[in-house]
Amino acid sequence: KQEVTQIPAALSVPEGENLVLNCSFTDSAIYNLQWFRQDPGKGLTSLLLIQSSQREQTSGRLNASLDKSSGRSTLYIAASQPGDSATYLCAGSFGNEKLTFGTGTRLTIIP
Amino acid sequence: NAGVTQTPKFQVLKTGQSMTLQCAQDMNHEYMSWYRQDPGMGLRLIHYSVGAGITDQGEVPNGYNVSRSTTEDFPLRLLSAAPSQTSVYFCASSYSSQGYEGYEQYFGPGTRLTVT
Repeated sequence: KQEVTQIPAALSVPEGENLVLNCSFTDSAIYNLQWFRQDPGKGLTSLLLIQSSQREQTSGRLNASLDKSSGRSTLYIAASQPGDSATYLCAGSFGNEKLTFGTGTRLTIIP
Repeated sequence: NAGVTQTPKFQVLKTGQSMTLQCAQDMNHEYMSWYRQDPGMGLRLIHYSVGAGITDQGEVPNGYNVSRSTTEDFPLRLLSAAPSQTSVYFCASSYSSQGYEGYEQYFGPGTRLTVT
């Protein structure tokens, strides 16, 4: 069974720092990995999708990487801002559209 | 485009009642799915559909029914609500990968359901 893990469950970082969120998965035959942001009481907003043939994707201050051999993905946030505070979820697709989600990292940016 | 829309936003049911959660998308996506989100357990797949007339079970299908008569709509029916179905329900959609490496999935705003 494919599993996706996110550690730590919570992270606090001073404003302006760069930070990395981690996501690990058990099946190297991953089709793609998607990072989402979820604000309290809200839905999921897609941030980045990395397909298996890609190694990284960038959008503004966000950069996501995918290493299939080690079973890891990272989401790098540059120059963090209080508005980046949210829960970040990663989800892997293993051969079809069904997503397997991690339980998320709750990020707090301290002004 | 409105994207993925869900109704209602909130619902309270009594044990044993039935109801339908609505989901619609206007992006002509073939693939649609339903997830539930529970504290500490992440999002789990309930049912999914790869196109009109085709549905299949996900990880936690018991107590739920779905049908897909059109590309746009994918309703989720609770047959006889139980307190264990108290959760936040999300609908998602994407283009179908058809062997490709997959497409970005878009989620609706969710329905918060409480069963008493």
